[in-house]
Amino acid sequence: GAVVSQHPSWVICKSGTSVKIECRSLDFQATTMFWYRQFPKQSLMLMATSNEGSKATYEQGVEKDKFLINHASLTLSTLTVTSAHPEDSSFYICSALAGRPNEKLFFGSGTQLSVL
Amino acid sequence: LAKTTQPISMDSYEGQEVNITCSHNNIATNDYITWYQQFPSQGPRFIIQGYKTKVTNEVASLFIPADRKSSTLSLPRVSLSDTAVYYCLVGSSASKIIFGSGTRLSIRP
Repeated sequence: GAVVSQHPSWVICKSGTSVKIECRSLDFQATTMFWYRQFPKQSLMLMATSNEGSKATYEQGVEKDKFLINHASLTLSTLTVTSAHPEDSSFYICSALAGRPNEKLFFGSGTQLSVL
Repeated sequence: LAKTTQPISMDSYEGQEVNITCSHNNIATNDYITWYQQFPSQGPRFIIQGYKTKVTNEVASLFIPADRKSSTLSLPRVSLSDTAVYYCLVGSSASKIIFGSGTRLSIRP
């Protein structure tokens, strides 16, 4: 199957700083990538849809100025959590569509963000 | 996007067959049914995908009745390592992928 690489796996930062998470499709080109957020014991919540070469589409309630998404190439999307606060601590997961005849989602390994 | 309903949790024992059913009454004509497995602190992993009838791969089978309003993921002879959360998703490549609550499967020795 297609491989999606996500880095870093975990990050600890101080409140007020910014953190960048990278998501790469290693063996395929991803026009569209998705960013999810997951709290303990809960399901994945879609944050935004990242489109190569255009602005991301954010879900209702997700602050676009706080969660900056850049999809500058067909193999890389980044999520930057700006001015992080403790309530931003969560597990962030990216994914991309791939496969034939019907595309399916392939996920990165996730990033555990802890804001002190 | 079709909403899915799954049991919140299930328990079973090693060596048993486990069947997890998902309801998706509003499935659209173009929608596929896809199941994912997620372990703690990891991204979900693709298990199986189908459109109708039965699909089987090396790890699971997927049964879809003619009306496609539900589907059943079948895991043969489960082991402790199958303890995970299983998600049923319904949609097409053109649609937004929204996760439901998933089924937390616990396998006991």
